[in-house]
Amino acid sequence: GAVVSQHPSWVICKSGTSVKIECRSLDFQATTMFWYRQFPKQSLMLMATSNEGSKATYEQGVEKDKFLINHASLTLSTLTVTSAHPEDSSFYICSAKGGWGGTSTDTQYFGPGTRLTVL
Amino acid sequence: GNSVTQMEGPVTLSEEAFLTINCTYTATGYPSLFWYVQYPGEGLQLLLKATKADDKGSNKGFEATYRKETTSFHLEKGSVQVSDSAVYFCALSSSTDSWGKLQFGAGTQVVVTP
Repeated sequence: GAVVSQHPSWVICKSGTSVKIECRSLDFQATTMFWYRQFPKQSLMLMATSNEGSKATYEQGVEKDKFLINHASLTLSTLTVTSAHPEDSSFYICSAKGGWGGTSTDTQYFGPGTRLTVL
Repeated sequence: GNSVTQMEGPVTLSEEAFLTINCTYTATGYPSLFWYVQYPGEGLQLLLKATKADDKGSNKGFEATYRKETTSFHLEKGSVQVSDSAVYFCALSSSTDSWGKLQFGAGTQVVVTP
């Protein structure tokens, strides 16, 4: 159990276009989802936290107008990189925590990540 | 603020060798501590965790003990296998954060050779 998927696994786009990345919890209800960015050989940097049905809370230094996060349901969150530029190229990872049937867990379950390359 | 410091990698060792990855933290209150593992081409997986001082987390032969006096959570395995080759991340979750946000260390790459 506790599987989180991301789609697409990789994407290449032209500078100035927007890209949407989906994060789904497949077998549990994700009340909270997190979006991270990981640079090569570096740690994960938390970008934002979202609760289902609420606006996302962004970490300091993360542009909320550039990285649009929507958490419209208990199983889906999306990250849209608007007007992408080469410096936005990175590995984007989501995680989710929640529970089943009224119970909840503190453990975050991670998606496999999405490699974004902006040309 | 909170922070996690891990030993730098890569750590290269032979199969059946003993593995230790050091992790120390700075945090207010009583954080929960985690070790995550990222195998090549895969997402992070929770390896083990400890939520209070002196707790020992264990899984798949790995162990880590929450040491409040030394603010450490070192990861150990007595006999590694080639399949343990991965990047290992130490992380903490502050007791004052209601959402359970994770603060990660830089990660330590482990390479196990036959």
